[in-house]
Amino acid sequence: DAKTTQPNSMESNEEEPVHLPCNHSTISGTDYIHWYRQLPSQGPEYVIHGLTSNVNNRMASLAIAEDRKSSTLILHRATLRDAAVYYCILRVRMEYGNKLVFGAGTILRVKS
Amino acid sequence: GAGVSQSPRYKVAKRGQDVALRCDPISGHVSLFWYQQALGQGPEFLTYFQNEAQLDKSGLPSDRFFAERPEGSVSTLKIQRTQQEDSAVYLCASTRYGTGYEYEQYFGPGTRLTVT
Repeated sequence: DAKTTQPNSMESNEEEPVHLPCNHSTISGTDYIHWYRQLPSQGPEYVIHGLTSNVNNRMASLAIAEDRKSSTLILHRATLRDAAVYYCILRVRMEYGNKLVFGAGTILRVKS
Repeated sequence: GAGVSQSPRYKVAKRGQDVALRCDPISGHVSLFWYQQALGQGPEFLTYFQNEAQLDKSGLPSDRFFAERPEGSVSTLKIQRTQQEDSAVYLCASTRYGTGYEYEQYFGPGTRLTVT
């Protein structure tokens, strides 16, 4: 399965931007890059996704390298509620649809 | 609207017991996924249903694991003769369509299984 590599943990100050990196050097041409986050005692929730171009939504921005071997999730102003495990995931195309392949994720701590 | 629900939220089983974990997906959602999440790890894919058809069970770790979705809505993950290594959080997720074009999976809160 296609794999991603992320730092184990990162720390940020409240109200400051956070850049969460992800390496996916074995990505194939049809694999989408997804980010999910998981708050304590909850299931993962979708954050953002992209294929080649940078993407923005109300939660975050996704910057994808030109060679697609890495990407960065950007939280523009971290809040205490953003403290979670962030997963960079490759959505692998299967015959029946799509499959999410999770890595270990990055634990984001936000300091007030 | 209602999200994905799972029951029970917590389950303690003695080694060797059988357990059944239930998932209620969002109403009308075609696709349903089961994941296993060990402590400190990301979720790992177990199996996938499109309506009542189980199209992928490649992630089920052994033949002690069995999943069903007989009417294409509620799904049950059954683990027979539980072992300590089965201790994990079991997550269920659903998506509206089965075509593969949807990008967001909606996850339930999970069932934490502890095998003693």
